[in-house]
Amino acid sequence: AQSVAQPEDQVNVAEGNPLTVKCTYSVSGNPYLFWYVQYPNRGLQFLLKYITGDNLVKGSYGFEAEFNKSQTSFHLKKPSALVSDSALYFCAVSRYNTDKLIFGTGTRLQVFP
Amino acid sequence: NAGVTQTPKFQVLKTGQSMTLQCAQDMNHEYMSWYRQDPGMGLRLIHYSVGAGITDQGEVPNGYNVSRSTTEDFPLRLLSAAPSQTSVYFCASRSSGNYEQYFGPGTRLTVT
Repeated sequence: AQSVAQPEDQVNVAEGNPLTVKCTYSVSGNPYLFWYVQYPNRGLQFLLKYITGDNLVKGSYGFEAEFNKSQTSFHLKKPSALVSDSALYFCAVSRYNTDKLIFGTGTRLQVFP
Repeated sequence: NAGVTQTPKFQVLKTGQSMTLQCAQDMNHEYMSWYRQDPGMGLRLIHYSVGAGITDQGEVPNGYNVSRSTTEDFPLRLLSAAPSQTSVYFCASRSSGNYEQYFGPGTRLTVT
């Protein structure tokens, strides 16, 4: 069965500092991995995905994520955080080309001025 | 393009009532899905469809029905609402050649 773990309920970081939001996954076969962001009272917005190829994936708003197969991780990173990055972030995984996308429980990112 | 639209935005039901949550997309996407979002549990897949006339169950399908008669529309039916179905419901769609899902703005449902 597929599963995703986001071990931190909340991550606090000062503006201008680098940020990392952690995600580990469990899936048989090759994973398709995703990060989505949710702003208050809004639907989810796509940030980036890993399907195949380069382990470092770049996405929207300056975010990137690194796929690590041996550690089954897909951590979200940004070199310099902005206050406007404060939101709820979800990691998700699917197996092969299916629409059974399994989400983590979410990590709230708070960036302080 | 309007993207993915959902109606209503808010709904209050009494236990045992039925209703349909509407979802429509104007991007000609083959894949459509329904999720529910509950505090501390992330999003859970209820039902999904890979094209008109084809639907399948997700993680938490009990208490919900779906049908897909057109590419554009994917309604979610609650036949007999229960308090455990109080949640925020999101519809999403994507094309077969792109794994990025587009989400609607959500419907906040309260069952008393």
